[in-house]
Amino acid sequence: GESVGLHLPTLSVQEGDNSIINCAYSNSASDYFIWYKQESGKGPQFIIDIRSNMDKRQGQRVTVLLNKTVKHLSLQIAATQPGDSAVYFCAENRGSQGNLIFGKGTKLSVKP
Amino acid sequence: GAGVSQTPSNKVTEKGKYVELRCDPISGHTALYWYRQSLGQGPEFLIYFQGTGAADDSGLPNDRFFAVRPEGSVSTLKIQRTERGDSAVYLCASSLRGGESPLHFGNGTRLTVT
Repeated sequence: GESVGLHLPTLSVQEGDNSIINCAYSNSASDYFIWYKQESGKGPQFIIDIRSNMDKRQGQRVTVLLNKTVKHLSLQIAATQPGDSAVYFCAENRGSQGNLIFGKGTKLSVKP
Repeated sequence: GAGVSQTPSNKVTEKGKYVELRCDPISGHTALYWYRQSLGQGPEFLIYFQGTGAADDSGLPNDRFFAVRPEGSVSTLKIQRTERGDSAVYLCASSLRGGESPLHFGNGTRLTVT
């Protein structure tokens, strides 16, 4: 079936290092992708989005890369900080209504 | 400004009871969504409103679940004859216009059915 999934369920990095979280999607019709950060007891928090007509987008300390050829999405976090520890979800929009389909998430743990 | 507000933050109910979960979206956002999240899983889509009407309710698991948004702002998710399997965090999100605009989530209502 069609799904959004993640290569790594957990990721542990040292404070100050760069983090890369990967995501695979299977529906080539998806045209909008979002990364969310979720801390314990809170709702998902928007990080960055990218449309299918782009292959890279940068924010503050974060970069999202989209490779439509292999249906792969990644989130890069520069100089990872303890406050970045959370579960990260990628989500795809398969239609114009904005109904996002979420993957299972990757837990990022930052060691001081 | 104020984000998406959900009440109550926690709800414990007995099997078979009726519950209502409330969502106050960000002011001016026309699109409103309900999701359900089980432990260790990503949010699962339930229903989407554009204005007052349910544009897509394909995620509602069965007819015990119903949601309304009568004035195009506040929404209520209603669950009848609750079952233990309904226990989860129910998340509400709003976006400026739907489509390719980011969803902004509330902190959810944790529903526990005993």
